[in-house]
Amino acid sequence: GESVGLHLPTLSVQEGDNSIINCAYSNSASDYFIWYKQESGKGPQFIIDIRSNMDKRQGQRVTVLLNKTVKHLSLQIAATQPGDSAVYFCAEKTSYDKVIFGPGTSLSVIP
Amino acid sequence: NAGVTQTPKFRILKIGQSMTLQCAQDMNHNYMYWYRQDPGMGLKLIYYSVGAGITDKGEVPNGYNVSRSTTEDFPLRLELAAPSQTSVYFCASNHRGLANEKLFFGSGTQLSVL
Repeated sequence: GESVGLHLPTLSVQEGDNSIINCAYSNSASDYFIWYKQESGKGPQFIIDIRSNMDKRQGQRVTVLLNKTVKHLSLQIAATQPGDSAVYFCAEKTSYDKVIFGPGTSLSVIP
Repeated sequence: NAGVTQTPKFRILKIGQSMTLQCAQDMNHNYMYWYRQDPGMGLKLIYYSVGAGITDKGEVPNGYNVSRSTTEDFPLRLELAAPSQTSVYFCASNHRGLANEKLFFGSGTQLSVL
């Protein structure tokens, strides 16, 4: 079946350090992946996306890496700030046009 | 632009009651989705629509119905509410065929079934 899961449910980092959030996906036919940030009481907000024909994509302070061989996705946040504290979800678009979310990782930034 | 608008924001239902969660988008998006999010969990896809008149089941469709009579609106219907349907419901939309297919989310509807 289709599933997207995360290796680490919680992550605590010192302010200024880099954060790495991991995600495993099982559908090898998925062609589009997205990272979302969700703050308490709010809907998910788009962070960055990547298509299956790419291995890496960079945004402002964020980088997404895609390893199709092992079906693994990661989100790297540089110089983590207190405002980065939130739950982070990866999502995949499957061959049936469904967008499936993983269970999420809670990121806590220690001042 | 208002983006994706969900109503109501909060609702309490008794077991067996029915209700419709409203979702509207003004971005002319062709795809729309309904997700539910249980406390401390990820989002589960309930139903989605690729265009007016076309809907399909997601991961957890049981107990729900949807319709898509217009591009803008995608209501979610609960016919016989059960405690297991207590959750936060998010509607989302996007436009396929663009370089960026990110989903735009509404602010959510918090539903409690008692």
